[in-house]
Amino acid sequence: LAKTTQPISMDSYEGQEVNITCSHNNIATNDYITWYQQFPSQGPRFIIQGYKTKVTNEVASLFIPADRKSSTLSLPRVSLSDTAVYYCLVGDFGGAGNNRKLIWGLGTSLAVNP
Amino acid sequence: GAGVSQSPRYKVTKRGQDVTLRCDPISSHATLYWYQQALGQGPEFLTYFNYEAQPDKSGLPSDRFSAERPEGSISTLTIQRTEQRDSAMYRCASSPRGFNTEAFFGQGTRLTVV
Repeated sequence: LAKTTQPISMDSYEGQEVNITCSHNNIATNDYITWYQQFPSQGPRFIIQGYKTKVTNEVASLFIPADRKSSTLSLPRVSLSDTAVYYCLVGDFGGAGNNRKLIWGLGTSLAVNP
Repeated sequence: GAGVSQSPRYKVTKRGQDVTLRCDPISSHATLYWYQQALGQGPEFLTYFNYEAQPDKSGLPSDRFSAERPEGSISTLTIQRTEQRDSAMYRCASSPRGFNTEAFFGQGTRLTVV
């Protein structure tokens, strides 16, 4: 099973770009990489998902190198409201097979300061 | 429904009692997940359903834990003979497509075993 490793915490300031890297050395061929955001007392919220290279949506970008052993979530121009825990997870994708799991990391607590 | 609904929001039970937690996913979402989240930790994947089928149960911590989704919509998670170590937030999520696609989380049920 792929295990994910992330920094425990990060600090930033409003308006800066934040990059959070997740290591997943044992990622399997069929695994996708997904990032979620979680605010205190709330359920996680999907941010972005990718398999390789670069994925971009309206809130973030996800960079995945060719070996796929790591991924970097990039948040452009963060604001105070981006203060949250960010989780990286890996798992195979789609369908309805057996013996499938989703392995979440411990999360990165991002603090955005004024 | 408009979102994933879990009940009860809070449950306090005595050690040794059985508890049943309920999840009402977003209408028509095929995939439903159950997670356990301890305070300050990332979600731990327990099990998932594709409609009424439960392809994987290996994430359930022990045989005291069971989950059902008999009609492919509402799901229940039952913990028999609760122990103090079962105290945690239990989160349910649902996805409109297959495994490990964007999931929408409920507010969770905070279980405290005394």
